[in-house]
Formats: sequence, structure tokens, C-alpha cells
Amino acid sequence: EVQLVQSGAEVKKPGESLKISCKGSGYTFTNYWIGWVRQMPGKGLEWMGFIYPGDSDTRYSPSFQGQVTISADKSISTAYLQWSSLEASDTAMYYCSRSTGYCTTGNCYSRDGMDVWGQGTTVIVSS
Amino acid sequence: DIQMTQSPSSLSASVGDRVTITCRASQSISSYLNWYQQKPGKAPKLLMNDASTLQSGVPSRFSGSVSGTDFTLTISSLQPEDFASYYCQQGYITPWTFGQGTKVEIK
Repeated sequence: EVQLVQSGAEVKKPGESLKISCKGSGYTFTNYWIGWVRQMPGKGLEWMGFIYPGDSDTRYSPSFQGQVTISADKSISTAYLQWSSLEASDTAMYYCSRSTGYCTTGNCYSRDGMDVWGQGTTVIVSS
Repeated sequence: DIQMTQSPSSLSASVGDRVTITCRASQSISSYLNWYQQKPGKAPKLLMNDASTLQSGVPSRFSGSVSGTDFTLTISSLQPEDFASYYCQQGYITPWTFGQGTKVEIK
């Protein structure tokens, strides 16, 4: 079975660091992008960026560039999303997802959509 | 960034109704448009990619169409399990962007 399994819920204080994970199984991890999507409480979906574990090519939405870091360890089929200094506004559900497509220097295209999703990781940042 | 304007933001419908949700892109995205269904407390689920290609296991009452930069998701006969939120998403230009969502509620 193809699946993405995310790490558990986190409760942190402002200014703390955090790294959440997403482990893929049932498919060749290095052949698909792993992306991250934020959903703030009661709100819609926001694409944050993705990584191609095969060559570590990483793309960010400008809205999240510099705010988070996306990485992957292909030896253990796991992608990560990390913050160096959390803010209360980072409180949200974070989903990882799998997708395919191709990239040029400046753009990435995907007709296939995000076909597999993790179960989500709740991050609460509160003093 | 490409803006995806989805309408309506919510609707109330009865079982058996035909439901239409529209998503308009701020510029051409070819057919690089995907639709997702999300139920409360659950991860989104890909319903359709490339504007009109149903994912395996998705009922045939769901269909998609495109006219220029306007995309439509249609549910031909709403079923109880279809009450959920629906999102469109463009995969043509990064950053990929989602519509704001449509919540389909029971009338």
C-alpha cells in the first residue's frame, strides 16, 4: 500500500524550533515530489513547497520562502518540514503529499495532482 | 502568483441534487487543474486531475470540464457521502495555488 505517515502532534512555545516528518512507503520514494500544505484553523489549503528526494531539488512558495526549510533523507524515505523559530501564526495542520511532474529552471509543472496525502500533523504554538 | 477564484464559497443542497462548483484561473493554466475533496478532520483526497480525469475509485457522478480559464466540477446526483469541502488547485506555474474552497452542506 502506498502511504505517507506523518509524525505526531506538537505543542510548542513561540521562539522554539521544530522539525516534523513524513515517511513514504509502498513506492519508490526518490521518484516523486513530496510537498507540504498548510491549513490554518477553519481555513483553506496553502501550498508551501516541495522537494524531489532523488536530487534534493527544493522549491518554495514565496509566501513561505525563508520561513521554513524542506528537506529529505532518501535513505529512510522521509521528508521534513522545519522551523527555526516558531510564531503563534504557525499554528495549523500541516499535510505532506506526493506528486509528479517536471521542472524547468524557473517553474514546475504537474498535471497529475497530489495523489497521496499524509494524515496531517497538528502544530500548536502558544505561550 | 496565479489566483484561483472558486465559487460559491458554500452551498446547501439536498441528496439527489445536481451541484456545480466553478474555479476561475487568473491566467491560462492549460488543463493543469486538479480537484480535491476534504471531509472534516481528514486529509484532502484527489478526485480529479488534468481538469477531467477521474481518479481510480471516484464515482462517475463526479465530472470536470474546462472552458478557457474556467473550470467546473459537477456532481450529477449528490449523495450523503459527498457533503464535504472541495478545492481546486493549479499545477501549471509555481507556486501552485488552491482555490479558497467550497463547502457543500446538507439542506
